[in-house]
Amino acid sequence: KNQVEQSPQSLIILEGKNCTLQCNYTVSPFSNLRWYKQDTGRGPVSLTIMTFSENTKSNGRYTATLDADTKQSSLHITASQLSDSASYICVVSGLQAAGNKLTFGGGTRVLVKP
Amino acid sequence: KAGVTQTPRYLIKTRGQQVTLSCSPISGHRSVSWYQQTPGQGLQFLFEYFSETQRNKGNFPGRFSGRQFSNSRSEMNVSTLELGDSALYLCASSIETGNFGNSPLHFGNGTRLTVT
Repeated sequence: KNQVEQSPQSLIILEGKNCTLQCNYTVSPFSNLRWYKQDTGRGPVSLTIMTFSENTKSNGRYTATLDADTKQSSLHITASQLSDSASYICVVSGLQAAGNKLTFGGGTRVLVKP
Repeated sequence: KAGVTQTPRYLIKTRGQQVTLSCSPISGHRSVSWYQQTPGQGLQFLFEYFSETQRNKGNFPGRFSGRQFSNSRSEMNVSTLELGDSALYLCASSIETGNFGNSPLHFGNGTRLTVT
């Protein structure tokens, strides 16, 4: 069964500090892995999309890494800001004969404190 | 460019009723997909439409249905509502012509459905 597991479920960090979120998946065959940021009461916003051949991708202070061999990804937030308080969702697209399927992780809720 | 627009923003219905949610994609986007988000199950894929055809479907009962119009606008219908259908329903559009390829999904802010 295709699964996406994220850790930790939640974390609290101080403004200005860095943090790293983890995503492990069993989806196979793999098409791409996406990270989304979801503010409370809003829809998710795309941060990065990585294909099999990409090891790292950045979007401002957000840097995602992908190890397709171990089926692991991480999202690193540098110099956190209060506006980084949100849920971060890892999504894996898997290749299937009937069309690619998206499998969602449960998300990591990040709270940045001043 | 306007983003993905979902209406209504909030909806309260009673068990047994049916509901129709609307989604207007970003101009030029022909792929529209729907998702259910609950605290317990997280985000789950409902279905995806492209050029008025359902191209992909998640594991939801037949009470959940949708359609897409020639202008790419989409509607989702839930019949015989149950308490467990209370959720945030999100719509996303993509410029992708392939099936969940390498283009990002652009989400609306959702319709929060409460079933009493």
